[in-house]
Amino acid sequence: NAGVIQTPRHKVTGKGQEATLWCEPISGHSAVFWYRQTIVQGLEFLTYFRNQAPIDDSGMPKERFSAQMPNQSHSTLKIQSTQPQDSAVYLCASSLAPGGCAETLYFGSGTRLTVL
Amino acid sequence: GDSVTQTEGLVTLTEGLPVMLNCTYQSTYSPFLFWYVQHLNEAPKLLLKSFTDNKRPEHQGFHATLHKSSSSFHLQKSSAQLSDSALYYCALREGQGTGSKLSFGKGAKLTVSP
Repeated sequence: NAGVIQTPRHKVTGKGQEATLWCEPISGHSAVFWYRQTIVQGLEFLTYFRNQAPIDDSGMPKERFSAQMPNQSHSTLKIQSTQPQDSAVYLCASSLAPGGCAETLYFGSGTRLTVL
Repeated sequence: GDSVTQTEGLVTLTEGLPVMLNCTYQSTYSPFLFWYVQHLNEAPKLLLKSFTDNKRPEHQGFHATLHKSSSSFHLQKSSAQLSDSALYYCALREGQGTGSKLSFGKGAKLTVSP
């Protein structure tokens, strides 16, 4: 079991460019979560899919951020017109669902996005 | 607003001293609380989680007790080790059932020195 795989590990973009981040959940896991990690804010929830359907995107900045899960083996997070304040580590996690309220999230190693 | 509050941002301890990281929460529904740990250059991973039957979860010497009366789930260890240096996040399962997200506190960075 390779765990949750995120690519790329590091991405550097210029202000105004687009960034696409990829996540491959653990095989058999049907819930996928995206979080943004910064020193100041810690782990901020962005969005959540279950069985490929979007369940909760309450944490997504609506104008420039979008997420998709076209099949059960990958999800993407796209940031349009990137800004310096988007610089962060973006973490993807997956879990078995429905697994009840005590289900464990398994995180990938993250993509460090730097916007110059 | 914040559902999970961790008051310490940075904690520095000498090896062998006790560890206590605070976590309080606000929840409308019956809460499920978690502690996740993230070592340097690694992914966050589950350290322990609350039970529904008042058992005290323990892992790697760490333990936490869910106190609904005070809405707390503080993390404790009797004797800190150098390898405990890491980021610790308290998390709350919000909402009901599996249609709910996991909300994290801002984290506490623990540094254990010799």
